[in-house]
Amino acid sequence: ELKVEQNPLFLSMQEGKNYTIYCNYSTTSDRLYWYRQDPGKSLESLFVLLSNGAVKQEGRLMASLDTKARLSTLHITAAVHDLSATYFCAVEPPSNYKLTFGKGTLLTVNP
Amino acid sequence: DADVTQTPRNRITKTGKRIMLECSQTKGHDRMYWYRQDPGLGLQLIYYSFDVKDINKGEISDGYSVSRQAQAKFSLSLESAIPNQTALYFCATEDSKRTGELFFGEGSRLTVL
Repeated sequence: ELKVEQNPLFLSMQEGKNYTIYCNYSTTSDRLYWYRQDPGKSLESLFVLLSNGAVKQEGRLMASLDTKARLSTLHITAAVHDLSATYFCAVEPPSNYKLTFGKGTLLTVNP
Repeated sequence: DADVTQTPRNRITKTGKRIMLECSQTKGHDRMYWYRQDPGLGLQLIYYSFDVKDINKGEISDGYSVSRQAQAKFSLSLESAIPNQTALYFCATEDSKRTGELFFGEGSRLTVL
C-alpha cells in the first residue's frame, strides 16, 4: 500500500523568508502532483512532475522530484501572505491511476 | 461557469436519510472521481470511473454508491447517511490522454445529524 507523508503538517513563517515542504512516498512512482487549497475552497493544481529530476517553477514556488529517494520538495522563496493555504502532494503508483494524497501542509505566512 | 460543478454545495441531513451528491463537467474528460476530505486526513478516494461502463471502488467505498449517467455526470449516493459521513466531498475529472492531473469541483459540504 502506497503511503505518502508530508512534513511539516503545519508551517508558520514570516513574509520574506524561505522554506521547504517535503513529500515522501513509500513505493516506486515517477508521477507526483502538488495542489493548493484555500480555506473552504477547492483544490487547484500547481505542479505536475512526471520524471526523475523534474523541476517546475511558478512565481515564488518551485517543486522538484527525486524518484530514487522517493521525495518531492516544494520550495517557497520570499514568502508573501497570499501564499497562505494548504498544500497537498499526491502520488500516482505505476499501473494504478489512483492518486494517494498526503495529509497536507497548512502554511500560514505572517506579516 | 465552473468546468466541474457539484450540487448541492451544502447539505444538512439526518441519520438514515438517503442523500445524492451530483457532479457534472464540461471538460470532456473521460475519468471521474469522488473524494472525501476530513480535517487532517487529506483526501480519500471513494469511487472512480474511467468511462460510462466502468465503475471502481476506492479506499473507502463502504456506505456509498455511485452512478455514471453519462460521460459528463457522476453521482454519489449515501443510501442511509450516518454522522461519520459528515465531510467535504469533492468530485474530480481527468483526461486519460494527458498528464494525470485532476480538476476538482468546488466541493459539497455534508453534515449528518
